[in-house]
Amino acid sequence: QKEVEQNSGPLSVPEGAIASLNCTYSDRGSQSFFWYRQYSGKSPELIMFIYSNGDKEDGRFTAQLNKASQYVSLLIRDSQPSDSATYLCAVIKAAGNKLTFGGGTRVLVKP
Amino acid sequence: EAGVAQSPRYKIIEKRQSVAFWCNPISGHATLYWYQQILGQGPKLLIQFQNNGVVDDSQLPKDRFSAERLKGVDSTLKIQPAKLEDSAVYLCASSSGSGNQPQHFGDGTRLSIL
Repeated sequence: QKEVEQNSGPLSVPEGAIASLNCTYSDRGSQSFFWYRQYSGKSPELIMFIYSNGDKEDGRFTAQLNKASQYVSLLIRDSQPSDSATYLCAVIKAAGNKLTFGGGTRVLVKP
Repeated sequence: EAGVAQSPRYKIIEKRQSVAFWCNPISGHATLYWYQQILGQGPKLLIQFQNNGVVDDSQLPKDRFSAERLKGVDSTLKIQPAKLEDSAVYLCASSSGSGNQPQHFGDGTRLSIL
C-alpha cells in the first residue's frame, strides 16, 4: 500500500463545473496535508494546506480533511481551462516534517 | 520575496559522468529539501537539512549521491557516477522551520542521462 494514494486521472471536467479530487493516506498519525498544483514542465506550487478536520476554503478552492477515514479532498469550483494541471497531495507524518507526495491527479478542464 | 533559486535549469550528461546542482533557498528559511521527481510521479524526498545539519537522508542513494549545505544557506547536490535511472527533475524546496510549515519549490533542474 502506498503511503499517499491518488487517482492518476485524467479527470475531465467542463468549464464552470466543480472538480473533485481525492487523496487517501496510510499513516493514521499524519498531521498536515497539502495540495500542490503542477503545470507541465513546472515546479509544484502550493495552493492549499489543512491541519484540522473539516473544510477550509480559499477562493475557488476548498480542502476537506477527514482524519477518521484518512482522506483529504480538494474541490475546485467554477473550473477554468487554466486549472488544467496535475494536482499533488502531500502529507506530513507525525514525526518530523518529511513531506510524502502522492502520484498526482491530472485534471483537464474543457472549454 | 525572492523564491527558491536553482541552477542549472537543464543538464545533459552521459552515464558514469558526474553532475552537480545548486540551490539557494528563500531568505531566512532554515529548512532545505532536495527532491527527485521522475516523469509521471510525485516528488520523492532525497535529503532534508535543518540549517547545516542533515535531518533525513534515508532515501538518498549514498553510493552515488551526496549533498551539503555549508553555512546553512546554499546547498549542492551531486551525483557521481550517474546512471540512466537518474534521469529526472531535481527539485529544491525550503520552509521557514520545522513542523508543519509549507514548503516552497524552486523551478528544478531537468537532468537527462544519455
